[in-house]
Amino acid sequence: DTAVSQTPKYLVTQMGNDKSIKCEQNLGHDTMYWYKQDSKKFLKIMFSYNNKELIINETVPNRFSPKSPDKAHLNLHINSLELGDSAVYFCASSLPGQGRGYTFGSGTRLTVV
Amino acid sequence: TQLLKQSPQFLSIQEGENLTVYCNSSSVFSSLQWYRQEPGEGPVLLVTVVTGGEVKKLKRLTFQFGDARKDSSLHITAAQTGDTGLYLCAGPGGSNYKLTFGKGTLLTVNP
Repeated sequence: DTAVSQTPKYLVTQMGNDKSIKCEQNLGHDTMYWYKQDSKKFLKIMFSYNNKELIINETVPNRFSPKSPDKAHLNLHINSLELGDSAVYFCASSLPGQGRGYTFGSGTRLTVV
Repeated sequence: TQLLKQSPQFLSIQEGENLTVYCNSSSVFSSLQWYRQEPGEGPVLLVTVVTGGEVKKLKRLTFQFGDARKDSSLHITAAQTGDTGLYLCAGPGGSNYKLTFGKGTLLTVNP
């Protein structure tokens, strides 16, 4: 039933490690996104994909590498984790075009220690 | 980048009270969206407004898009504890593939 599901829900890891977050949507949407929500609850876009193609990379460090094996999946791999990467990461999907509502996953809380 | 400023940042009220939160910009938006985010969950879309001056109602929630399409407001009548959450406004961020969010209003409705 879940429209946009991401795993894991929580991730605690040490500095320098590499980790991945997975996202899947069953809505048939063409467009998927990764957003980062900081401790002050500000949501900032990281990446947009449309039909498996990268459309937007919002000046994210290249330690972050998204991959979309098909239009229903968008994964996020993070290398050499830093303390400042601690945040909640949200996957979302939508139909293409302006004014389309986004459907968000429930988030992955990443804590780097 | 088009910025969206939300006010107030925090709002704590008693159940039964009315409230209004605001979303303002110096830029014109083709549309604006409102989301509500509850703790531990992702934002959930409440409404999209697209026409200047448009008013949309969702039960006790009334959304208005400014005539000049630079601002929007959300009014809640007779707030309930279930209305507690982070209210976010969002608009197209200069691309068909990017939604820019305001910093939100954190609403707490006390019993």
